[in-house]
Amino acid sequence: KQEVTQIPAALSVPEGENLVLNCSFTDSAIYNLQWFRQDPGKGLTSLLLIQSSQREQTSGRLNASLDKSSGRSTLYIAASQPGDSATYLCAVRPASGGSYIPTFGRGTSLIVHP
Amino acid sequence: DVKVTQSSRYLVKRTGEKVFLECVQDMDHENMFWYRQDPGLGLRLIYFSYDVKMKEKGDIPEGYSVSREKKERFSLILESASTNQTSMYLCASSSRGITSNYGYTFGSGTRLTVV
Repeated sequence: KQEVTQIPAALSVPEGENLVLNCSFTDSAIYNLQWFRQDPGKGLTSLLLIQSSQREQTSGRLNASLDKSSGRSTLYIAASQPGDSATYLCAVRPASGGSYIPTFGRGTSLIVHP
Repeated sequence: DVKVTQSSRYLVKRTGEKVFLECVQDMDHENMFWYRQDPGLGLRLIYFSYDVKMKEKGDIPEGYSVSREKKERFSLILESASTNQTSMYLCASSSRGITSNYGYTFGSGTRLTVV
């Protein structure tokens, strides 16, 4: 059974720092990996989607990488801002068994203070 | 943009009421999901549908049922609401195709309080 782990569970940093959030998964048979942001009391907003054949995706100050063979993805946030404060979740879509059900990590809660 | 719309942001219901949570997506996605999210427990899958009139139980289906009469709409039904069903409910959709660039798309959530 796929397991997804996100480390650290919580992070508090001063504004301007570059950050790395980690996501690891136990089964490398995935179609893609997706990073989400969740603000308190809100739904999940998709940030980046990396297909299994890709190594990285970039959007603005965000860069996500994928190393499928080692079961790891990182989300890099450059020059963090207080508006980046949120919970960040990763999810993997399985490639085996015809399942469409993603496996989510528990998330990293990020606080960026001025 | 793909949109998943949940009909209510906040709901307050009484114990024993039958509650309907509605979710509509506009991207012709085959797959739709209902999750609940509680502090410290992460996202837990309640039900999943991969086609019209098709449904599969997730990890915590007890006390819930679903309906998918049209491709774009997936309803979650609490047959007799109880206080332990107070939670944030999230609907999501995805394409069956593996080459989709959208992945999973979530609605804005419904905060349900059962009193």
